[in-house]
Amino acid sequence: DGGITQSPKYLFRKEGQNVTLSCEQNLNHDAMYWYRQDPGQGLRLIYYSQIVNDFQKGDIAEGYSVSREKKESFPLTVTSAQKNPTAFYLCASRYRGDEKLFFGSGTQLSVL
Amino acid sequence: GQQVMQIPQYQHVQEGEDFTTYCNSSTTLSNIQWYKQRPGGHPVFLIQLVKSGEVKKQKRLTFQFGEAKKNSSLHITATQTTDVGTYFCAGGVQGAQKLVFGQGTRLTINP
Repeated sequence: DGGITQSPKYLFRKEGQNVTLSCEQNLNHDAMYWYRQDPGQGLRLIYYSQIVNDFQKGDIAEGYSVSREKKESFPLTVTSAQKNPTAFYLCASRYRGDEKLFFGSGTQLSVL
Repeated sequence: GQQVMQIPQYQHVQEGEDFTTYCNSSTTLSNIQWYKQRPGGHPVFLIQLVKSGEVKKQKRLTFQFGEAKKNSSLHITATQTTDVGTYFCAGGVQGAQKLVFGQGTRLTINP
């Protein structure tokens, strides 16, 4: 069953702690994206990657980091520098030549 | 930078009434996409429009792309409770590898 898997579904961060959100896809998609969604807000782009070992900053990259060591995986680290991390994080992917995005089920991150 | 504005932010209707949400881009788009996010869920792709003046229909949903390729609309005829959710437009620009999302319109329906 192909798709995008995000884990965990819920995550709690303590002050000063880095946390990593997982995103794995088995759709053989080339591009992967991380979006942040705040209540009642649209989706804001954090980072995106078109190919392995390459990624670009989106509109709100400060306080976040990513890696793309494998085509299937695009983990997002929320660092302690991100002072307002509470949000719903969505990972998405698409196939090269197709504009349509497929989204994972999201991770809700909260601060303790 | 590129911005996509979407209105209204919220819309509450009686079941059976029509619903429309509008998107406007600050720049000319190469394509516009529409997504639906059910409460507690994730966005799901509905449709993509590419041509100037394009109109596409999916059952009770009608999507339009403006002649100047800077605005778009989604119209739902005779809403049903299954239409509840947030509808997002997302604009693509030629050469850019990312979409810019509107703020979304949250639709609630009184049965």
